[in-house]
Amino acid sequence: AQKVTQAQTEISVVEKEDVTLDCVYETRDTTYYLFWYKQPPSGELVFLIRRNSFDEQNEISGRYSWNFQKSTSSFNFTITASQVVDSAVYFCALRGSSNTGKLIFGQGTTLQVKP
Amino acid sequence: DGGITQSPKYLFRKEGQNVTLSCEQNLNHDAMYWYRQDPGQGLRLIYYSQIVNDFQKGDIAEGYSVSREKKESFPLTVTSAQKNPTAFYLCASSTWGTPLHFGNGTRLTVT
Repeated sequence: AQKVTQAQTEISVVEKEDVTLDCVYETRDTTYYLFWYKQPPSGELVFLIRRNSFDEQNEISGRYSWNFQKSTSSFNFTITASQVVDSAVYFCALRGSSNTGKLIFGQGTTLQVKP
Repeated sequence: DGGITQSPKYLFRKEGQNVTLSCEQNLNHDAMYWYRQDPGQGLRLIYYSQIVNDFQKGDIAEGYSVSREKKESFPLTVTSAQKNPTAFYLCASSTWGTPLHFGNGTRLTVT
């Protein structure tokens, strides 16, 4: 079975703090993809990043960075110097090796960044 | 601009009535998906379709039905058999190798 766990339900930080959102996944597939999406209050899901299982290089995009570790089945997301606009629900998701394209989502982490 | 259009944004129905949620995409994507979002439960897959005139049940298909008569359209009907239909519904599309692209969602309230 495939599963994604985001143990942090809600996180509250003050602006300019760094914050890490945890994501742990389970799959028996050797080829899979991991994703992060952001859901602002308006409701749409915004794609942030995709990683395949063969690429464990960490990635940085501006204030965002992602740490993929197969040894611990984790794909954590760090926001550096958080801003109020980062307030949203963040979802981690997994797509297995089947060709259906469907995603398995974690429960989501609500991030509140206070001024 | 290409994208996914879900309408309406808010929908209210009385219990016992069927209701159809619209999803249209102009991204030329082959696959389309319907997800349901409830507080604290993330997104759960209702139905998906990889090609016109074909669709498969997801994890929570009971009480829902879909059709895929055109590549661009994937409407979802919430039937009276769905025990707890009040939720936020998200439609998505993709083609192989691309991330899912989501619409803005429809918030359905059934009273």
